[in-house]
Amino acid sequence: DTGVSQNPRHKITKRGQNVTFRCDPISEHNRLYWYRQTLGQGPEFLTYFQNEAQLEKSRLLSDRFSAERPKGSFSTLEIQRTEQGDSAMYLCASSRTSGASNEQFFGPGTRLTVL
Amino acid sequence: DQQVKQNSPSLSVQEGRISILNCDYTNSMFDYFLWYKKYPAEGPTFLISISSIKDKNEDGRFTVFLNKSAKHLSLHIVPSQPGDSAVYFCAAREIQGAQKLVFGQGTRLTINP
Repeated sequence: DTGVSQNPRHKITKRGQNVTFRCDPISEHNRLYWYRQTLGQGPEFLTYFQNEAQLEKSRLLSDRFSAERPKGSFSTLEIQRTEQGDSAMYLCASSRTSGASNEQFFGPGTRLTVL
Repeated sequence: DQQVKQNSPSLSVQEGRISILNCDYTNSMFDYFLWYKKYPAEGPTFLISISSIKDKNEDGRFTVFLNKSAKHLSLHIVPSQPGDSAVYFCAAREIQGAQKLVFGQGTRLTINP
């Protein structure tokens, strides 16, 4: 059981640079979610994929953010022209479609610091 | 608008005693409620969930109670152990669409020896 993995674990970048994060979900999970967590808050939903289709995006996801899941397996989240307000923990979660509570399993997160 | 609220930022409990973490919600369009535990530098780990049609679910030392009329749920941990020290998040799953989770702000639980 490899769980959900995310890379990199930490990213420090200068304002205005582009960054890309990767998420590898649990292999049999076809649902994939991205959340963002800032200090003192719970995770907030960013976007959702069912297989390779991006079916829902939060209004938190500005046009500088883009996410893909090209083959329905791993996903990437790119932030263009980063701003200091983008500093946060970016969490990926995956789940099955069927099942009772469909609990989402989270990865360890990527902590982004924008200087 | 905070749909899921954990009004206690922190809680300190003696080892062996009961820990009670509380959570309130304002939206009825949730079908499951979940509790996650989070250690520093790790992602949230699923603990226990409850369907909106139930009022209690128990798993070992962890029990979750749901009071739908009050829109309130609680997590009971008994007996509390030092390894339970972590931040606990309450989450509600939306019925529609992405079935995304809406999280509370978290409660930091400290178990004192």
